Amino acid sequence: EVQVLESGGGLVQPGGSLRLSCAASGFTFSSYAMSWVRQAPGKGLEWVSAISGSASSTNYADSVKGRFTLSRDNSKNTLYLQMNSLRADDTAVYFCARAPYSNSWYHSFDYWGQGALVTVSS
Amino acid sequence: QSALTQPPSASGSPGQSVTISCTGTSSDVGAYNYVSWYQQHPGKAPKLMMYEVSKRPSGVPDRFSGSKSGNTASLTVSGLQAEDEADYYCSSYAGSNNLLFGGGTKLTVV
Repeated sequence: EVQVLESGGGLVQPGGSLRLSCAASGFTFSSYAMSWVRQAPGKGLEWVSAISGSASSTNYADSVKGRFTLSRDNSKNTLYLQMNSLRADDTAVYFCARAPYSNSWYHSFDYWGQGALVTVSS
Repeated sequence: QSALTQPPSASGSPGQSVTISCTGTSSDVGAYNYVSWYQQHPGKAPKLMMYEVSKRPSGVPDRFSGSKSGNTASLTVSGLQAEDEADYYCSSYAGSNNLLFGGGTKLTVV
């Protein structure tokens, strides 16, 4: 059974840093691109970042470019999102999501985690 | 780039059909067939309901169908059931390694 499980969410002050993790199981992790999609409280979905299966390419939404870094450790079946210079408008539930292909991360998201809440507030 | 445009709400009675639209531009919805639809129940993770405009993942009832005309994609739910009440989001590849979501449509089964 395919599962993705986020962890690392919490409360952080503006300007602070946080690292989210996404542990995957039930599939060959390195064969699939992965993304983070966030949802601010009461708002819609927003794509944040994506990485290819081999980690050879990463992509970021303009809203997080230069502040967030996406990486993966295929030996540990784990995806990471390092978030720096956090702002109040980064407050959201962050979902880890799998794409059905290794490189075409934008194709669709066929499996999602339950999400990790990140709150940026003083 | 702006989010794709969806109506905030839609409704229908059990057994009826309802169509939710998703309007983009010639740079996203109109340019690519990478349009997907997601269903999200309150407090839950989104679920993939349609990909590549009109393809249903395994396990999604055939009451759900997708289409696209020009810069507008649509999701139709036929034979509405109570469990279809949820938020629905469209997404589209927008080129230049960017992906856009719609603002979401709250579907109510009255």
